[in-house]
Amino acid sequence: DVKVTQSSRYLVKRTGEKVFLECVQDMDHENMFWYRQDPGLGLRLIYFSYDVKMKEKGDIPEGYSVSREKKERFSLILESASTNQTSMYLCASTPDRDLPWAFFGQGTRLTVV
Amino acid sequence: AQSVTQLDSHVSVSEGTPVLLRCNYSSSYSPSLFWYVQHPNKGLQLLLKYTSAATLVKGINGFEAEFKKSETSFHLTKPSAHMSDAAEYFCVVRILTGGGNKLTFGTGTQLKVEL
Repeated sequence: DVKVTQSSRYLVKRTGEKVFLECVQDMDHENMFWYRQDPGLGLRLIYFSYDVKMKEKGDIPEGYSVSREKKERFSLILESASTNQTSMYLCASTPDRDLPWAFFGQGTRLTVV
Repeated sequence: AQSVTQLDSHVSVSEGTPVLLRCNYSSSYSPSLFWYVQHPNKGLQLLLKYTSAATLVKGINGFEAEFKKSETSFHLTKPSAHMSDAAEYFCVVRILTGGGNKLTFGTGTQLKVEL
């Protein structure tokens, strides 16, 4: 089974802190994604990556950055956390361009106080 | 731009009656479409996928969806609802980018199943 693992299930951070969310997949997938999920808004794409060191902005990249130094790991960085970034963050991966269905991690519930 | 619209934010059915969750897509080329399900406090699970093969797609747990190009729709159906089907359902379209795939989600439909 494909496994997508997010480093934390719950995080509480203070406003202004730099926050790192880590995601690891174990199936050599090319594509990795970060979404945030908010009630009534569905999942909104923050950033995605289709190869090591390659990234593209999603629909809501402001206030976030990403890093993909190794194929299996995709990190989401909140440069200076704000209360409006309180949300559920979901990481996903897809095998490649021709196999586009995604496998999701369990999510990280981030609260910024 | 490619997108999906889920026409109902909440659907309520009685156990044993049919389920219909509606999704319309917008795409300038033949799309790949998916339905995902999220049970309370659980991760997202792929329910079924359409990738330009048969237009009627069967998924897990008795769900199916029909791709209708003329109506730009990809509605999810099940003949008989079960209590365990209560969850949130997301319609998703795949967008090809220069480097890879981008998956765009609808806003979700909350399915409630009553006795």
